[in-house]
Amino acid sequence: AQRVTQPEKLLSVFKGAPVELKCNYSYSGSPELFWYVQYSRQRLQLLLRHISRESIKGFTADLNKGETSFHLKKPFAQEEDSAMYYCALRGGGSNYQLIWGAGTKLIIKP
Amino acid sequence: DSGVTQTPKHLITATGQRVTLRCSPRSGDLSVYWYQQSLDQGLQFLIQYYNGEERAKGNILERFSAQQFPDLHSELNLSSLELGDSALYFCASSVEGAGVAGELFFGEGSRLTVL
Repeated sequence: AQRVTQPEKLLSVFKGAPVELKCNYSYSGSPELFWYVQYSRQRLQLLLRHISRESIKGFTADLNKGETSFHLKKPFAQEEDSAMYYCALRGGGSNYQLIWGAGTKLIIKP
Repeated sequence: DSGVTQTPKHLITATGQRVTLRCSPRSGDLSVYWYQQSLDQGLQFLIQYYNGEERAKGNILERFSAQQFPDLHSELNLSSLELGDSALYFCASSVEGAGVAGELFFGEGSRLTVL
């Protein structure tokens, strides 16, 4: 079955410390993985997708097919990174449905 | 604003009542998705419409129904409301087609409180 697991409901780190939000998935084919973010009082929005191999706001995420993971990382956390982060998976073919993780609330302490 | 718009932003009603939530997708987007976000829970996919037709169904209760109209706006109808239906209901839209990477554009949500 397709599944996305974000094991941490809440992650709290100090400003300037490295951040890693974990995402593990279960999917038999070649999935597309995404990270979405919801800042306070803002819409949920796409942060990055694995196929773009981009760094957005200092965040990167590498798809590790061996470990079936897509962890989100940032070397130095900033207070404005505090938000809710969701990992999502899209299966292949014509199925455009996203499978969502439960989300991780990231709090950056000053 | 050419983004996804949802109305109403807030709604307070009583158990047993019926409400309708409305969503206008981004210009040009044919797909509309409805999600429920309850307290301490992630996004629960309810239903998706594509160009007026139901495309996929998630964990949508029988008391809930939705439709997408010819102008592509969508409505989510919630009936016989229970306390547990209190949640934030999100609408999202997307462009679909070959090569699309699956980005969803979300509305600000409609917060439903059932008393």
